[in-house]
Amino acid sequence: DSGVTQTPKHLITATGQRVTLRCSPRSGDLSVYWYQQSLDQGLQFLIQYYNGEERAKGNILERFSAQQFPDLHSELNLSSLELGDSALYFCASSLGGQETQYFGPGTRLLVL
Amino acid sequence: GQNIDQPTEMTATEGAIVQINCTYQTSGFNGLFWYQQHAGEAPTFLSYNVLDGLEEKGRFSSFLSRSKGYSYLLLKELQMKDSASYLCAASGGSYIPTFGRGTSLIVHP
Repeated sequence: DSGVTQTPKHLITATGQRVTLRCSPRSGDLSVYWYQQSLDQGLQFLIQYYNGEERAKGNILERFSAQQFPDLHSELNLSSLELGDSALYFCASSLGGQETQYFGPGTRLLVL
Repeated sequence: GQNIDQPTEMTATEGAIVQINCTYQTSGFNGLFWYQQHAGEAPTFLSYNVLDGLEEKGRFSSFLSRSKGYSYLLLKELQMKDSASYLCAASGGSYIPTFGRGTSLIVHP
């Protein structure tokens, strides 16, 4: 158990819908990262937040957005969902911005 | 830019030793991570190499050569539970690691 929690574990929805994934970092960690993992793409970095502020952006679509709240939990919002958005979404946390990242159990999203 | 290259799949026998190689091209290189990921589960941290050389941690060791852009993960005394995907990730100037696609290791009796 890494200490990072994610909810929900599974999510099934339809194309065009919007979902919110939630992540709570390890106690004391200030940085939260979001990744997408699909079979053909591997682990793709989406976005990083540090202490409530956006720190780095990766290959995140405009339909996707995220935020980190004062209690340091983070949410990833996915809208106008497409079939290709079906993937495992992982959250990771680290103490600051340069240390080892510890991953949560992931949310498996299936868009039908 | 960032580029990580590792073999797609490897097989080995229980009790044997296996070496998983990784080559990288990363601007502003800081260090090299190895993670283990069982199917459908979260990646779990194995090692982080910053300096050249071999770091040993139980049955697992990781090696780094910064000048060659090369790393390997060495697994000794293989067990069935070591069957998993092994992800190599290079940390660059932004400190956001770029992950390879992973090497699927199959350990058979």
